[in-house]
Amino acid sequence: QKEVEQNSGPLSVPEGAIASLNCTYSDRGSQSFFWYRQYSGKSPELIMFIYSNGDKEDGRFTAQLNKASQYVSLLIRDSQPSDSATYLCAVNDGAGGYNKLIFGAGTRLAVHP
Amino acid sequence: DGGITQSPKYLFRKEGQNVTLSCEQNLNHDAMYWYRQDPGQGLRLIYYSQIVNDFQKGDIAEGYSVSREKKESFPLTVTSAQKNPTAFYLCASSITVNTEAFFGQGTRLTVV
Repeated sequence: QKEVEQNSGPLSVPEGAIASLNCTYSDRGSQSFFWYRQYSGKSPELIMFIYSNGDKEDGRFTAQLNKASQYVSLLIRDSQPSDSATYLCAVNDGAGGYNKLIFGAGTRLAVHP
Repeated sequence: DGGITQSPKYLFRKEGQNVTLSCEQNLNHDAMYWYRQDPGQGLRLIYYSQIVNDFQKGDIAEGYSVSREKKESFPLTVTSAQKNPTAFYLCASSITVNTEAFFGQGTRLTVV
């Protein structure tokens, strides 16, 4: 059983601070990594994707990938109360020749004024 | 507008009844997925399809069935064999299986 692990939180940060969300995965063959944001009662929306080792920045968001350590993270700079949501890490699993997208349980982020 | 449409938004099922959840996309995506989400939990994969006329079981396929007769459609049937079907069901699609997936608005199914 391939796994994607995240701390459930809640992770509480003050407004304006950097929020750091972490994810580990078990399938060394995974090639694609995604971060989704999910507000309560809504469907997930894509925030970032990353395929190569290193950092990828998009506005206030930075995704970091370390395939050797099987670790992917999401940094949110200048956190805002509107960033309060659950963040889901997703990884492609290519076992058996059939690729599928599997998700972690999510980390709940709370940004307080 | 391009996107993924799930219907209905809310669905109520009686015990022993089969119900079908609709998922349609006009994004010309090859891959489609069905996930189930229980309160406070992550997404668990029910079925997925890499291409039309092909689909594979996910981690929790028991009590569910799907078809992929058209590229744009991937309906999910929740059968009476699924003993605890109350959940939030999410359909997603992606260009290929290795690219980012986009979600529909979800269907909330409740057993009454």
